[in-house]
Amino acid sequence: AQTVTQSQPEMSVQEAETVTLSCTYDTSESDYYLFWYKQPPSRQMILVIRQEAYKQQNATENRFSVNFQKAAKSFSLKISDSQLGDAAMYFCAYRWGSSGDKLTFGTGTRLAVRP
Amino acid sequence: EADIYQTPRYLVIGTGKKITLECSQTMGHDKMYWYQQDPGMELHLIHYSYGVNSTEKGDLSSESTVSRIRTEHFPLTLESARPSHTSQYLCATGQGLGGYNEQFFGPGTRLTVL
Repeated sequence: AQTVTQSQPEMSVQEAETVTLSCTYDTSESDYYLFWYKQPPSRQMILVIRQEAYKQQNATENRFSVNFQKAAKSFSLKISDSQLGDAAMYFCAYRWGSSGDKLTFGTGTRLAVRP
Repeated sequence: EADIYQTPRYLVIGTGKKITLECSQTMGHDKMYWYQQDPGMELHLIHYSYGVNSTEKGDLSSESTVSRIRTEHFPLTLESARPSHTSQYLCATGQGLGGYNEQFFGPGTRLTVL
């Protein structure tokens, strides 16, 4: 079974600084997708960024980028120029293959942004 | 505007009561999901549906049941609520298979059973 591990229950970053959230996963599959979701307090969960396993290039979405290390099964999220609105729970998630659709989530990292 | 609606947002209820958590969507998506999330913890899939009259149990065993009579509606029912059912329940939708198949989440229902 696939597992997703987020080893940092809580992180803190100064506004305008950069922070990296860690995620590792375990799978025997070669075709899969990885996601970072953001869940602000009392608000809806939204997708931040996604990565296809077969793509070597790391995904980037504005201030958010990933460091995808397939051999190491690592998928970290880097947030640059952190803003107060980035404060949230961040979940790493895995989805198997091109025909799968069910997500496996990590336990989450709570990010605090200090003004 | 396309969206996912969950009602109620908060529910406090006594043990033994029957409850139904509502989820409706105007996303136009065929696939719908129910996740259970304990405070500060990961999400666990408890039910999913690929379309009308299609329902399947997820990875986490749950005493709840679901139905999918209309594409836009996916209610979750607990016949007899217990304190162990206290949790947050998130409804999500998705479209198609393959590719990114992004899932979109509703605001959640926070259930407390006394």
